[in-house]
Amino acid sequence: AQTVTQSQPEMSVQEAETVTLSCTYDTSESDYYLFWYKQPPSRQMILVIRQEAYKQQNATENRFSVNFQKAAKSFSLKISDSQLGDAAMYFCAYRSPSGGSNYKLTFGKGTLLTVNP
Amino acid sequence: DAGVTQSPTHLIKTRGQQVTLRCSPKSGHDTVSWYQQALGQGPQFIFQYYEEEERQRGNFPDRFSGHQFPNYSSELNVNALLLGDSALYLCASSFNQGPEQYFGPGTRLTVT
Repeated sequence: AQTVTQSQPEMSVQEAETVTLSCTYDTSESDYYLFWYKQPPSRQMILVIRQEAYKQQNATENRFSVNFQKAAKSFSLKISDSQLGDAAMYFCAYRSPSGGSNYKLTFGKGTLLTVNP
Repeated sequence: DAGVTQSPTHLIKTRGQQVTLRCSPKSGHDTVSWYQQALGQGPQFIFQYYEEEERQRGNFPDRFSGHQFPNYSSELNVNALLLGDSALYLCASSFNQGPEQYFGPGTRLTVT
């Protein structure tokens, strides 16, 4: 079974600065998907970024980028130019490859990000 | 383009009662997954519905059941409610084998 670990329960960053959230995972699969989701106090889970394991290039979405280290099974999220609206709980999630029989997302316990003005 | 919708927003039930939660998927999606999120935890997978059939189930008892309708909307039913069932219930929709799941705003269930 796959597991996802987020070792930082809480992080804080100054507005306009950069912060990196860590995530490690365990799997025996060679192909898979990794995601970062953001959950603000409104509770709505919002997809931030996605990475396919077969792609060597790290995914980027505007101010959000990932550092995907497949051999180390590490998947960190970097937020540049942090904004007050980035304050939220961030979850790392794993999904098995398409075409199989495992469709679920496996989540870590989350990292609470505070952005200080 | 309507996103995933869930109803109701909040619900308070008594131990032993039964509850039904509802979800409408994002336009163009045909697959619905349900997750339970306890306070301070990550979401836990309950089950997924595709073509009106449950095609994968997580480690939840049979008290948790579901249904998917021909229009792809879905219901989550929980019987014989326990205090431990108090949580945020999230619905997520996707397109069949597509890896990305998009979440609704959730239903907060409180069991007293």
